Amino acid sequence: DTGVSQNPRHKITKRGQNVTFRCDPISEHNRLYWYRQTLGQGPEFLTYFQNEAQLEKSRLLSDRFSAERPKGSFSTLEIQRTEQGDSAMYLCASSLYEQFFGPGTRLTVL
Amino acid sequence: QQQVKQSPQSLIVQKGGISIINCAYENTAFDYFPWYQQFPGKGPALLIAIRPDVSEKKEGRFTISFNKSAKQFSLHIMDSQPGDSATYFCAARAPRTNDYKLSFGAGTTVTVRA
Repeated sequence: DTGVSQNPRHKITKRGQNVTFRCDPISEHNRLYWYRQTLGQGPEFLTYFQNEAQLEKSRLLSDRFSAERPKGSFSTLEIQRTEQGDSAMYLCASSLYEQFFGPGTRLTVL
Repeated sequence: QQQVKQSPQSLIVQKGGISIINCAYENTAFDYFPWYQQFPGKGPALLIAIRPDVSEKKEGRFTISFNKSAKQFSLHIMDSQPGDSATYFCAARAPRTNDYKLSFGAGTTVTVRA
């Protein structure tokens, strides 16, 4: 399968815990994006990388969120001190031009 | 503030009918408009996309109509099938200004009744 992959697919955590998600983009894609989607809404942009450089961050990305893309390959999104409001689907996409999305990681914060 | 407004929120259509979803935008820097289809528990899948230099693009049963002066675009699903039941999102971005992120509409849930 040469699509975008995300792990884990589901994560349940308790409030205050840290969580980390991984995204593996399509191999030749130089841009990688993170979005957040809540129930009944469209995806909302969080941040994006061109190769290993993080070029833009949304105001939605509070200080508790950090993303990395070492060596311009896979990316990780970490949320520290999770809150119930962080419960959402976290989507990763990659592109040369058109954006292709992964299956998402559904986070539930209890 | 949502940069792309989408309507209706949901629609029900009979098998073989036409589904029409409308989107409007304000940012004149937008010059690429994709539509995504999303099934429950899955990520969005690119369906079809258009640039503002054409007024219509057709791929199979899916057609995008684009009205640049009105800053509106729409998706038509012809001969709707039960397998088309999904949530559809319009989106926009402005790559010429090096803005590659997508701004999405709120989505339209389409239900096709057999």
